Amino acid sequence: GAVVSQHPSRVICKSGTSVKIECRSLDFQATTMFWYRQFPKQSLMLMATSNEGSKATYEQGVEKDKFLINHASLTLSTLTVTSAHPEDSSFYICSVPSAHSSTDTQYFGPGTRLTVL
Amino acid sequence: DAKTTQPTSMDCAEGRAANLPCNHSTISGNEYVYWYRQIHSQGPQYIIHGLKNNETNEMASLIITEDRKSSTLILPHATLRDTAVYYCIASDSWGKLQFGAGTQVVVTP
Repeated sequence: GAVVSQHPSRVICKSGTSVKIECRSLDFQATTMFWYRQFPKQSLMLMATSNEGSKATYEQGVEKDKFLINHASLTLSTLTVTSAHPEDSSFYICSVPSAHSSTDTQYFGPGTRLTVL
Repeated sequence: DAKTTQPTSMDCAEGRAANLPCNHSTISGNEYVYWYRQIHSQGPQYIIHGLKNNETNEMASLIITEDRKSSTLILPHATLRDTAVYYCIASDSWGKLQFGAGTQVVVTP
């Protein structure tokens, strides 16, 4: 069964609105989760590391004020795209590292497709 | 993380073994080799990973050269459902998976 869920799976919004995407770890607690973005015909790009109980760590070039991350609990991280614009249309994917080992696998969510009109 | 190089695409006949190469000539001693795949419009799926020794699981086998500068992912009996983009990643931390372009594998009947 699924280890990581995302909600919604697909969202269409108007330019200027904010959109919240949820990532849930279903099988185990996660102090760390990761958010990726994937544009059409491109590879995944790591956006940020979500840390439970502290601020998220953003990769270079990712605007922290535009992509708000909240790690509300040990099983939930949310990504809010604020004042979305058409160029933010993308496939957003979260991942949860295995609880067993720091060099073990990551479990990816099914992704959320955002379309900004 | 070390940079990896993979062929852009490859075709494979259904039922045959698929051998996917990956070069990681600058890999450091504490970096693992991870393989993930992504079926269209889905999140990536973990396949296998290894450090030095060859590894095998229910999905695939991973062969790492002795100098660790390259590796090969082997899908023993490819099926149509194995059509996906396959990513080879070298990383010393599960947190920093830097995805490259990957290899688009198309399994044909």
